[in-house]
Amino acid sequence: GNSVTQMEGPVTLSEEAFLTINCTYTATGYPSLFWYVQYPGEGLQLLLKATKADDKGSNKGFEATYRKETTSFHLEKGSVQVSDSAVYFCALSEASFGGYQKVTFGTGTKLQVIP
Amino acid sequence: GAGVSQSPSNKVTEKGKDVELRCDPISGHTALYWYRQSLGQGLEFLIYFQGNSAPDKSGLPSDRFSAERTGGSVSTLTIQRTQQEDSAVYLCASSPTGRGVGDTQYFGPGTRLTVL
Repeated sequence: GNSVTQMEGPVTLSEEAFLTINCTYTATGYPSLFWYVQYPGEGLQLLLKATKADDKGSNKGFEATYRKETTSFHLEKGSVQVSDSAVYFCALSEASFGGYQKVTFGTGTKLQVIP
Repeated sequence: GAGVSQSPSNKVTEKGKDVELRCDPISGHTALYWYRQSLGQGLEFLIYFQGNSAPDKSGLPSDRFSAERTGGSVSTLTIQRTQQEDSAVYLCASSPTGRGVGDTQYFGPGTRLTVL
């Protein structure tokens, strides 16, 4: 079955540091890939997505590139802010036997940015 | 109010009681999903609705859990005879079609259930 593996947290960075959160996946076909973010006390929000190999998703300074050869979708940001402190979830979706896009989530990586 | 809403935001109940959790999806979204997020865990898929039917119930952990969706809109997740291990945040999501590459799920804020 499909699976998503992301680096364990928590990740603690100083403000303006470079961020990388690793994500690798296993899928039988050609999934779409997503990063969701969950701020404290809130639900999950879509951060960015990529639907095919070599696509780059970007939003709010975050980027991730769909790498089929390494089955990876690492999240990066050049300069983090305190407001980026949250839990980040990598996810993939692929057509299931029922014909719908079934989403598999990673376990989440908590990011804490300190001033 | 264009997002997914859930109620209640918090629910504390006693072991053995029944609870109902409600989800209002984004208007026009035909697909609806329920997930469970336990402390320190990822998201556990529970059930998927396409319209009013549930073609995938494979994630429901026991027969104490059930869900329905009426009018292709509001959904209710019911947990009967709650147990302490049911304590978690229950998340609802909706998506436009549930099909097609890149179909994106939009999440509600969740209901935090605590079973004493």
